[in-house]
Amino acid sequence: RKEVEQDPGPFNVPEGATVAFNCTYSNSASQSFFWYRQDCRKEPKLLMSVYSSGNEDGRFTAQLNRASQYISLLIRDSKLSDSATYLCVVNYNTDKLIFGTGTRLQVFP
Amino acid sequence: DTGVSQNPRHKITKRGQNVTFRCDPISEHNRLYWYRQTLGQGPEFLTYFQNEAQLEKSRLLSDRFSAERPKGSFSTLEIQRTEQGDSAMYLCASKMAGNYGYTFGSGTRLTVV
Repeated sequence: RKEVEQDPGPFNVPEGATVAFNCTYSNSASQSFFWYRQDCRKEPKLLMSVYSSGNEDGRFTAQLNRASQYISLLIRDSKLSDSATYLCVVNYNTDKLIFGTGTRLQVFP
Repeated sequence: DTGVSQNPRHKITKRGQNVTFRCDPISEHNRLYWYRQTLGQGPEFLTYFQNEAQLEKSRLLSDRFSAERPKGSFSTLEIQRTEQGDSAMYLCASKMAGNYGYTFGSGTRLTVV
């Protein structure tokens, strides 16, 4: 079993739609959680950190459920520019990032 | 330039040849990481350095792979006797210890033919 699991998608949604991605992680010792965005053939870039209390950044909302070892990302009012792969990432106290396989999002007009 | 720089951007090599990639991290960052990403997968951790010390190596890093960071600044990743399965994007990232702000380079895309 992979340490971080995500539905690879693709998720094809129209502009303006709300879309949610989920992720589960296997190691209960995980300490930090992130969503990264990766455009085709580019490097991953931090989208947002994920906190137990949940956090929001504009149209993006991230949630963490430590008891269920589950992380989510909600994107509201999708834009064409949101088309990318979204990587769920956890970090243990060894300070290395463990990435999921990524979920591909395609927003169409 | 304040970002992480990787060279070359692309490398095509014949099976069995040796290749070396270079990463120049953000100058004040003392930690440097190497990841490998294959098509349809997320990046996989290979190894990391704090200053010049290599602190952890993944089991993915076979004896054909070696990484160095001799002066605690730039790092090199060498692959000896390349195999087709080594074809991937090799990503470098840097950060300050204790800080969650990783910065990734643009990667080196290796194709072994």
